[in-house]
Amino acid sequence: DTEVTQTPKHLVMGMTNKKSLKCEQHMGHRAMYWYKQKAKKPPELMFVYSYEKLSINESVPSRFSPECPNSSLLNLHLHALQPEDSALYLCASSQDHGTGYGYTFGSGTRLTVV
Amino acid sequence: GQNIDQPTEMTATEGAIVQINCTYQTSGFNGLFWYQQHAGEAPTFLSYNVLDGLEEKGRFSSFLSRSKGYSYLLLKELQMKDSASYLCAVRGKAAGNKLTFGGGTRVLVKP
Repeated sequence: DTEVTQTPKHLVMGMTNKKSLKCEQHMGHRAMYWYKQKAKKPPELMFVYSYEKLSINESVPSRFSPECPNSSLLNLHLHALQPEDSALYLCASSQDHGTGYGYTFGSGTRLTVV
Repeated sequence: GQNIDQPTEMTATEGAIVQINCTYQTSGFNGLFWYQQHAGEAPTFLSYNVLDGLEEKGRFSSFLSRSKGYSYLLLKELQMKDSASYLCAVRGKAAGNKLTFGGGTRVLVKP
């Protein structure tokens, strides 16, 4: 298995809703990442998990809450989002954080906040 | 912080060669990556350079000069499906080894 699987592929949520994005990989990678990408812009790092511990939080608002239940899973819990949070949310994984080759990205969750 | 520059857009003809340049500034350089991203899709890994020199992988090659803070991605024998954005990304130890992306170069391949 050489994929990163993200669910759901599309999500529409209201500003008062609570939802979660899920990410899964079975490549034995020990680092996992959340990126946010707006249209025609590069991906921007949100969070880094290394060996199931949060190692980088890029000053992301608390309405985004990451969780890493085990080495294969990464969640992003969403609460009280704003319309400007609408974007493509990408999960990625790598063998290790800081060494080795590139990240493997999932196909993303396209989030629309209404 | 990390600063990465690459051209916004390039146009080339099918069958031709295109070179996408990337200049960067970072502390504790720890690798440079090139990704391809088609519109609405996830980035896919193309190449990785951590030492100076040329890495060749089929129709794609990537070059790195650490002393100049410079890399390029060379796409040969262009095909229509190569129309995409190409993202240069740099990893720096001083930035916690996080991967930071440049703005991307949109390549349009014309018949």
